[in-house]
Amino acid sequence: NAGVTQTPKFQVLKTGQSMTLQCAQDMNHEYMSWYRQDPGMGLRLIHYSVGAGITDQGEVPNGYNVSRSTTEDFPLRLLSAAPSQTSVYFCASRSPSGGSSYEQYFGPGTRLTVT
Amino acid sequence: GNSVTQMEGPVTLSEEAFLTINCTYTATGYPSLFWYVQYPGEGLQLLLKATKADDKGSNKGFEATYRKETTSFHLEKGSVQVSDSAVYFCALSDRAGGKLIFGQGTELSVKP
Repeated sequence: NAGVTQTPKFQVLKTGQSMTLQCAQDMNHEYMSWYRQDPGMGLRLIHYSVGAGITDQGEVPNGYNVSRSTTEDFPLRLLSAAPSQTSVYFCASRSPSGGSSYEQYFGPGTRLTVT
Repeated sequence: GNSVTQMEGPVTLSEEAFLTINCTYTATGYPSLFWYVQYPGEGLQLLLKATKADDKGSNKGFEATYRKETTSFHLEKGSVQVSDSAVYFCALSDRAGGKLIFGQGTELSVKP
């Protein structure tokens, strides 16, 4: 199993540009989520999904869109990038979706810089 | 709302020193508690967890005990190694939806 994979690893955008961060997992996990990591603030939840076709907002959803058309993939879209979105983005997955005591598996991250 | 507070870093120790990283939480109900570790340039990995009061999680020489009376989950290791240098995150997962809430992270640097 490859686990959780993310692409790209690094990205530089200009303000106003759009892009999609890709996330895929091959563990047949129902629950997937996106976090951003900023210095001194830990990881904050952006959006999450408990299964294909079901998504919901986390703590910091503004400026980001998600969709979940398959169990494997959970892309994160930035429609109009802003410097405040400069961060490291992590995708994570867990099974079962209702298992709060189960560990989440994290991808290697995407480092995004918006100029 | 739920929250997690960790001691601030960075923490610098000599090899074989004793490590404590403090973590306290605020939560309704009975959350599960986790310690995740992030090695340089990598994603987060689960280090240990505890799912109910008085549970002790342990892994790779690290331990943490779920203390409901003090709402704490402090991470300890008796003798750190250079390879333990990383950022450590305390987190809780609420029973309702299982969303992870993280502390701000504590950077540990172990010198030979």
